[in-house]
Amino acid sequence: DTAVSQTPKYLVTQMGNDKSIKCEQNLGHDTMYWYKQDSKKFLKIMFSYNNKELIINETVPNRFSPKSPDKAHLNLHINSLELGDSAVYFCASTREYQRNEQFFGPGTRLTVL
Amino acid sequence: QKEVEQDPGPLSVPEGAIVSLNCTYSNSAFQYFMWYRQYSRKGPELLMYTYSSGNKEDGRFTAQVDKSSKYISLFIRDSQPSDSATYLCAMSSGGYQKVTFGTGTKLQVIP
Repeated sequence: DTAVSQTPKYLVTQMGNDKSIKCEQNLGHDTMYWYKQDSKKFLKIMFSYNNKELIINETVPNRFSPKSPDKAHLNLHINSLELGDSAVYFCASTREYQRNEQFFGPGTRLTVL
Repeated sequence: QKEVEQDPGPLSVPEGAIVSLNCTYSNSAFQYFMWYRQYSRKGPELLMYTYSSGNKEDGRFTAQVDKSSKYISLFIRDSQPSDSATYLCAMSSGGYQKVTFGTGTKLQVIP
């Protein structure tokens, strides 16, 4: 029944580790996004995929690598985690021609120790 | 200067009050204006969506856009404790362009 789901919901890890966050949407949308929300609630886009093709790639360190195996899934892999990576990561999806109506997942709260 | 400016609050009002939330922006290419509501520890959800200038009303919520002043507002009438959340303004120029969010205003409606 869930529209946009993310796993895990919480992630606590040590600096230097590699971790992945998964996102799935069952809305039939064509476009998916990753956002980072910092402690001040600022929501910043990181990546966007349309039909498995990367269309937005903001200034994000190379340690972050998105992967879209199909248009319903968008995963985020992070290498060599740093303290500054601690944030809430949100996945979102939209129809291709209604990109302003974003449907967000529940978020993954990442804490790097 | 940030593209979108929003007062972070917090804003505390008594139940039943009229709430006014505002954003200013600098990018004159923005054509689409949205308000998202985010409850604590949840993802944002779309509340209102307007195109270009003008007003839009949906129940207790009214969104206003003044492109000449680069200023948008969200009004909440008869505010309820369940309206307590962070409200994020968002805007885009359309097409494949990204949506730019404000930093959000935290609202608390006190019973």
